[in-house]
This record gives sequence, C-alpha cells and structure tokens, in this order.
Amino acid sequence: EVQLVESGGGLVQPGGSLRLSCVASGFTFSDYYMDWVRQAPGKGLEWVGRSRNKVNSYTTEYAASVKGRFTISRDESKNSMYLHMNSLKTEDTAVYYCVTVDTSRWDQKYWGQGTLVTVSS
Amino acid sequence: DIQMTQSPSSLSASVGDRVTISCRASQDISRALAWFQQKPGKAPKSLIYTASNLQSGVPSKFSGSGSGTDFTLTISNLQPEDFATYYCQQYKTYPLTFGGGTRVETK
Repeated sequence: EVQLVESGGGLVQPGGSLRLSCVASGFTFSDYYMDWVRQAPGKGLEWVGRSRNKVNSYTTEYAASVKGRFTISRDESKNSMYLHMNSLKTEDTAVYYCVTVDTSRWDQKYWGQGTLVTVSS
Repeated sequence: DIQMTQSPSSLSASVGDRVTISCRASQDISRALAWFQQKPGKAPKSLIYTASNLQSGVPSKFSGSGSGTDFTLTISNLQPEDFATYYCQQYKTYPLTFGGGTRVETK
C-alpha cells in the first residue's frame, strides 16, 4: 500500500525558514517523479514544484511564485523528499501535499494527508 | 503559463442527477489533463488522467472527455458522496496549473 506522510509544518514568522518532509512507502521511490502541491485556506490547488526520478538525476522544476526561495531535495536512503522553504511570505500559508507522479501515465495518483504551514507575525 | 478556466464555479444538483463540469485551457494541451475530487478537510483524489482515463478504483459514473482546449467531466447518477469540489489540471507544460474548482452542492 502506497503511503505518503508529510511533516514539518507549523507557525513561522515572515522571512523565516521551514523544512517539510514527505516519507514514502509502498513503491519504488527512486522510480517516481514527486510533486509538492499547496492549498491556501479556502482557496484552490497550486502546484509548487517537482522532483524528477533517479534516472533523470532528481532534477527539479518550480512555480514562479516560489522559485529562488524553495528547494526540493530527496534522500533515497530514507525514502524521503523535502521542501526547503526560505524567505517565507504570508502568502505561503497553506496546506502542503506531496504527490506521486507515475510517468508511464503522467497521473498524480497518490497524495499525502498534507501539512499546514502558517506564516504570520 | 497555461490558464485553466472551469465552469461553473459552483452548481446545485440533486441525488440521481447527471452533472457536467467544463474546463478550458488557454492553449492547446492535447490530452494532458487530469481531474481531481476534493472533500472538505481531505487531500484531493485522482479521478481521471489523460483526459478520459479512469483512475483505478474510481467508479464508471465518472467520465472525462475532450482534447486540445476544451474538456468535460461528467458525473452520472449523483450520490451523496459525490458532493465535493472538482479540479482540472493541465500537465502539458510547466508550470502545472489547476482550474479554480467547481463546487457541487446539494440542491
């Protein structure tokens, strides 16, 4: 059974930093692309960024709204993906989800339960 | 960036109804479109990928169609568990973009 468990959310002041974690199980982590998607309170879904799979050297893509401030990394030994968030703004307040991407079908089938990040003074 | 426009933003329907949600892309995305269902306080759930392929475990009452710029999600025989918000998403080019969502409410 595929499981994605996010953690690391919390309250942080504007300008601060936070690292989110996503621990994966039930599939071959290195084979999959992985996405971060966020949802501000009461708002719609916003794609944050992507980590490609090992064959593609875990290269990354980012939304313009977070590029230069957020970085996605992976630790294959821990089956984990991370979202390093710097220079946080109030508009980064959201629930952050990690999502699998099956490149044979390009579908985002599995989602974690999400972790809430609140940026406020 | 490719803009995804969903309509309507909300609709009221009754159990047993057939509902249709539209999604329009600002440029040709071929069939690189997915649909998701989200219930309050829950993570989104994948329903359809590549415009019309049903995700495993999703009932056949859900169907998707379209290509290019115009897409449709149809839900037949609406049941209480189908009242939720539905999102389309294009994955043709980066950045991936979502529609604004369609809330399906009980009439």
